[in-house]
Amino acid sequence: GEDVEQSLFLSVREGDSSVINCTYTDSSSTYLYWYKQEPGAGLQLLTYIFSNMDMKQDQRLTVLLNKKDKHLSLRIADTQTGDSAIYFCAERSNTGNQFYFGTGTSLTVIP
Amino acid sequence: DAGVIQSPRHEVTEMGQEVTLRCKPISGHDYLFWYRQTMMRGLELLIYFNNNVPIDDSGMPEDRFSAKMPNASFSTLKIQPSEPRDSAVYFCASSLDAGGTEAFFGQGTRLTVV
Repeated sequence: GEDVEQSLFLSVREGDSSVINCTYTDSSSTYLYWYKQEPGAGLQLLTYIFSNMDMKQDQRLTVLLNKKDKHLSLRIADTQTGDSAIYFCAERSNTGNQFYFGTGTSLTVIP
Repeated sequence: DAGVIQSPRHEVTEMGQEVTLRCKPISGHDYLFWYRQTMMRGLELLIYFNNNVPIDDSGMPEDRFSAKMPNASFSTLKIQPSEPRDSAVYFCASSLDAGGTEAFFGQGTRLTVV
């Protein structure tokens, strides 16, 4: 399958910005996603970006896409303790329509 | 719609026993995915179906694992015989057949094999 890479852990102070990074390999992917997983729960979609965009903003969330470098990032402004969770980046294959997920980044917000 | 429904939420079984995990996708969704989540390997795609037909089962770890989708509203993932290393959280997800739509996940089944 395709490789989607993320760093495993990130720790930030409440009120600071968090930036979670992701790299992917499938250059044909037209949609890239960010999911959030809270303890004991399934994954929930936070936002997604179409590959012909380089930025998408949704309230405290900003997604940046560098298609040339196959790099995706999620910035959370004014990070709150409720943002503590695991964040997954994912791409949807154009060929088979399956979703490939990264390893997940565990975000810890320190009060 | 109630979302993707998985059962049971928790399963504890003894090594060697058969385990069946169940999933009801969102009505009208064309794709159904089974994932396994562990600390060591993260989220792995095991198998997925399109219109009830298995498309890619290359992620199924061994012959002990099998999955079926007898109709558009039901799928099972079976492990027979189960082993302690199968302990994980198993997620089912469903999606429409359109590039921009996301995968909707169930709450998962936490399987513990002792």
